[in-house]
Amino acid sequence: QSALTQPASVSGSPGQSITISCTGTSSDVGGYNYVSWHQQFPGKAPKLIIYDVNSRPSGVSHRFSGSKSGNTASLTISGLQPEDEADYYCTSYTSSVTYVFGTGTKVTVL
Amino acid sequence: QVQLVQSGAEVEKPGASVKVSCKTSGYTFTTWNIHWARQAPGQGLEWMGWINAGSGHRKSSQNFQGRVTLTTDTSASTAYMEVISLTYEDTAVYYCMRGGLTAAFDYWGQGTLITVSS
Repeated sequence: QSALTQPASVSGSPGQSITISCTGTSSDVGGYNYVSWHQQFPGKAPKLIIYDVNSRPSGVSHRFSGSKSGNTASLTISGLQPEDEADYYCTSYTSSVTYVFGTGTKVTVL
Repeated sequence: QVQLVQSGAEVEKPGASVKVSCKTSGYTFTTWNIHWARQAPGQGLEWMGWINAGSGHRKSSQNFQGRVTLTTDTSASTAYMEVISLTYEDTAVYYCMRGGLTAAFDYWGQGTLITVSS
């Protein structure tokens, strides 16, 4: 199972919106609405911020939103804040009853 | 509150095996799956496998089949992951996570650093 494809880095100025893509296949991202996103700060365990494509866990900012079209899922961060600077990983369920992470995206706030 | 607490860091020689524990609390252990993932230094996350804490059914990534064993002790609400035949490339932080059927890993352990060194 190959990792889902994400851009290595995305940057934006405070207040702007950025979008991170996550591209898989019809056997994972495109086949199920079981895509999640995790945020990770250096030296820390990842934190779930989006699940089931576009649902937010309690306590996660409304500035984070998710969507999916075909084999590509996306995470949008609206009103970018300095504290959003982190690594972001998508995850998908697969037809093999396994899971796969994306390659990860480093978000930089300019 | 839900907590997943992992065992401490270990240093192992190439060819050895290592077993990491993940003690859970704050929820009914047998009603959730436990997943395992790892992250090599400076690298991304890699999903390794999952085990249903109630039935014991498990599935591992093809990348680890034959080298990784997932088990649970329901009496202790603890999950275990054993990796055999360690190589230098197995040096990483290993995480346990709670999850259901979806890819929502809602609680994570603090991570366990496994260093493979001669």
